[in-house]
Amino acid sequence: NAGVTQTPKFRILKIGQSMTLQCTQDMNHNYMYWYRQDPGMGLKLIYYSVGAGITDKGEVPNGYNVSRSTTEDFPLRLELAAPSQTSVYFCASSAQRNTEAFFGQGTRLTVV
Amino acid sequence: GQQLNQSPQSMFIQEGEDVSMNCTSSSIFNTWLWYKQEPGEGPVLLIALYKAGELTSNGRLTAQFGITRKDSFLNISASIPSDVGIYFCAGHSGGYQKVTFGTGTKLQVIP
Repeated sequence: NAGVTQTPKFRILKIGQSMTLQCTQDMNHNYMYWYRQDPGMGLKLIYYSVGAGITDKGEVPNGYNVSRSTTEDFPLRLELAAPSQTSVYFCASSAQRNTEAFFGQGTRLTVV
Repeated sequence: GQQLNQSPQSMFIQEGEDVSMNCTSSSIFNTWLWYKQEPGEGPVLLIALYKAGELTSNGRLTAQFGITRKDSFLNISASIPSDVGIYFCAGHSGGYQKVTFGTGTKLQVIP
């Protein structure tokens, strides 16, 4: 019953450091998404993928990169961490485009 | 871009009371989704609505897809302490448009 699994759950980065947030799903979903959630705000789409090898930008892609080499995995890369990237990051997947999505537990990232 | 206004922003209610919250959009949606997020967890889908006027229940939860297609409502009957969390609406206008999330309604239940 794994669903969508994200690692790590928490991370503190220094300004300028880089890291990769991992996301894997075991439901064979073609569609995967990365969102960020800031306090008191809804979810903002960073990047999404419609299948292995295909990715596209969402609303707030600046400062992030993604790749999708397999159906299961959709890592999110931060190259030069900035304080503005302090947020909670959620990975999600869905069987159909932009419909019912299953979310991971989130990664709480703090950039200091 | 599309905007979703969700209200109320937060609410405190007594256990056993009924709860109503709603979401309004500046544009038409073809799909409305309602999610619940508990502390430290990701959102979990509660109800999905696909047709204007549709009324769908999931246990004590009932959601409606507004006739104008610009709004949706979620009701929780006989609230219990485990209903605590943040409830998000989300709308999709179809095709290649992205899902838009509301800002959430934070629900606190007083035992």
